[in-house]
Amino acid sequence: QVQLKESGPGLVAPSQSLSITCTVSGFSLTDYGVSWIRQPPGKGLEWLGVIWGGGSTYYNSALKSRLSISKDNSKSQVFLKMNSLQTDDTAMYYCAKKAQLGWYFDVWGAGTTVTVSS
Amino acid sequence: QIVLTQSPAIMSASPGEKVTMTCSASSSVSYMHWYQQKSGTSPKRWIYDTSKLASGVPVRFSGSGSGTSYSLTISSMEAEDAATYYCQQWSSNPPTFGGGTKLEIK
Repeated sequence: QVQLKESGPGLVAPSQSLSITCTVSGFSLTDYGVSWIRQPPGKGLEWLGVIWGGGSTYYNSALKSRLSISKDNSKSQVFLKMNSLQTDDTAMYYCAKKAQLGWYFDVWGAGTTVTVSS
Repeated sequence: QIVLTQSPAIMSASPGEKVTMTCSASSSVSYMHWYQQKSGTSPKRWIYDTSKLASGVPVRFSGSGSGTSYSLTISSMEAEDAATYYCQQWSSNPPTFGGGTKLEIK
């Protein structure tokens, strides 16, 4: 059964950095791309970036300077790091697996809430 | 990037009523994908490749469209269909989502 589960700090102070981990099961990170997507409270979905099976990455250009996505295939973990957080970075952060044959997200994690506040 | 505009933003329907929501793309896309999200939960793949229903999705749902205009239709509204629906494209980078249509039951 394919599953993704995010874990993060919950609360981050303004100007600090954020680190979130996505732990996957039921598939190999070498075979599928995993994206990070966020959703501010009461708002829509924003795609942040993707790490492909081979390890290459592609980022949302609006956030590229602050984002880094990496992974550890042996631990089945994908990592999101974002620098210089501000209050408008407060959101639910999801990781999602790209479908094998289509350009969409077929399985999502439950998400982890990140609040930026002093 | 391709901008997806969903309409209406909010709508309500009575049980048994036919529902149609639309997603308009700023440039032509090959396929449109739809997700259902209920309050407090993560989005679920609902319709993919424009018209294919994800496993477990009732057959009263359908998707159609081409080019810049796509739609999701419910043939007969049921209470469990109340949710927010998002369209998404990845015909070109970056992948983008529409702003969502919130569907409520009357």
